[in-house]
Amino acid sequence: LAKTTQPISMDSYEGQEVNITCSHNNIATNDYITWYQQFPSQGPRFIIQGYKTKVTNEVASLFIPADRKSSTLSLPRVSLSDTAVYYCLVGAGTSGGSYIPTFGRGTSLIVHP
Amino acid sequence: ETGVTQTPRHLVMGMTNKKSLKCEQHLGHNAMYWYKQSAKKPLELMFVYNFKEQTENNSVPSRFSPECPNSSHLFLHLHTLQPEDSALYLCASSQDYRVAGGNEQFFGPGTRLTVL
Repeated sequence: LAKTTQPISMDSYEGQEVNITCSHNNIATNDYITWYQQFPSQGPRFIIQGYKTKVTNEVASLFIPADRKSSTLSLPRVSLSDTAVYYCLVGAGTSGGSYIPTFGRGTSLIVHP
Repeated sequence: ETGVTQTPRHLVMGMTNKKSLKCEQHLGHNAMYWYKQSAKKPLELMFVYNFKEQTENNSVPSRFSPECPNSSHLFLHLHTLQPEDSALYLCASSQDYRVAGGNEQFFGPGTRLTVL
């Protein structure tokens, strides 16, 4: 499994754009990059997933450079309710193989008024 | 609502008690997972079931016993637990454990377990 490295914590203010970068130098050819959000005492919630280039949904954007050794989760115009822990996961399953989702410590984002 | 429910939401038990946690998914998924999340620690994967078969046991002590009677239900039977087992226990499901490509997980709200 590709190991991921993220900042432990980040601070931002309401209305700002937040970019959280995840390093995954050992990413394999068939690995996908997935981001989850977790609020205290709740289960993680899927935010976005991508393989290469850029993916955008109603919540966030995911930027993946050509070498795929890192990825950046972009949250536009954050609000107080975006205060949470954000996890970057890398991995995939192949036919006959297995995918073991491994959560690291994540990035604790605090949004200030 | 994620389509994954867990009961009870809170549980307090003594070290000699036997209790069970229940998870149910209404998403038609084939894979189900148990995670443990202790305070200030990452989620720890405990067990994985795919098509009712246990595929992963992440070196979990035998005082935790999983059961998966069908693809929609997952139980975690608890007995003679220790205070350090107090944690948030999360259940998750996904379409399949062995898919080519991404495998989004849907998590339940968790059971907050306190062992006295």
